[in-house]
Amino acid sequence: QQQVKQSPQSLIVQKGGISIINCAYENTAFDYFPWYQQFPGKGPALLIAIRPDVSEKKEGRFTISFNKSAKQFSLHIMDSQPGDSATYFCAASPNAGNMLTFGGGTRLMVKP
Amino acid sequence: DAGITQSPRHKVTETGTPVTLRCHQTENHRYMYWYRQDPGHGLRLIHYSYGVKDTDKGEVSDGYSVSRSKTEDFLLTLESATSSQTSVYFCAASPGLGSNEQFFGPGTRLTVL
Repeated sequence: QQQVKQSPQSLIVQKGGISIINCAYENTAFDYFPWYQQFPGKGPALLIAIRPDVSEKKEGRFTISFNKSAKQFSLHIMDSQPGDSATYFCAASPNAGNMLTFGGGTRLMVKP
Repeated sequence: DAGITQSPRHKVTETGTPVTLRCHQTENHRYMYWYRQDPGHGLRLIHYSYGVKDTDKGEVSDGYSVSRSKTEDFLLTLESATSSQTSVYFCAASPGLGSNEQFFGPGTRLTVL
């Protein structure tokens, strides 16, 4: 049972464009929603995270939008660069602990 | 990566053989995790540890066991490897204490023939 559903599986964006990756969750106990970035041959690394008390969080070119009523959250990458080409994972965690449930991943390619 | 190393980085083995993967961390984090990564499935939790000798099962624990005799080391054992266990395995660690961030190791690519 996949509790966090991520789409699309792959995404191609032109340099300078906006990349958008979406996730939906089922468990209403989730209250921490991070995005991880993974480059080929490397482990995932935390990119940005949000808690449900805010609807948006921005760090540089990366923004998380959160819709609690719809149980959805998304990652927006503004002015996408070839160096952003990587696999992105959304995840969610309940307030009671550190267990992360990951989405299936999105492979992003930014064309120069 | 919070000083997390995994060994070996690559391994090829045959069906039915035992395999042990090692994860070592230098940050004294309380929580440690083993995931497997397969295309389309993201990262799935195999087992986790919330302290020395304290472990529990994750989503896909069948066929795997773990041990944690020291804070810094977390071992994943495949008692009798099967081809379905061919995957990339990642170890992660988290300090807990209100921090949900997990720090990942570089991964181990395991092929079971």
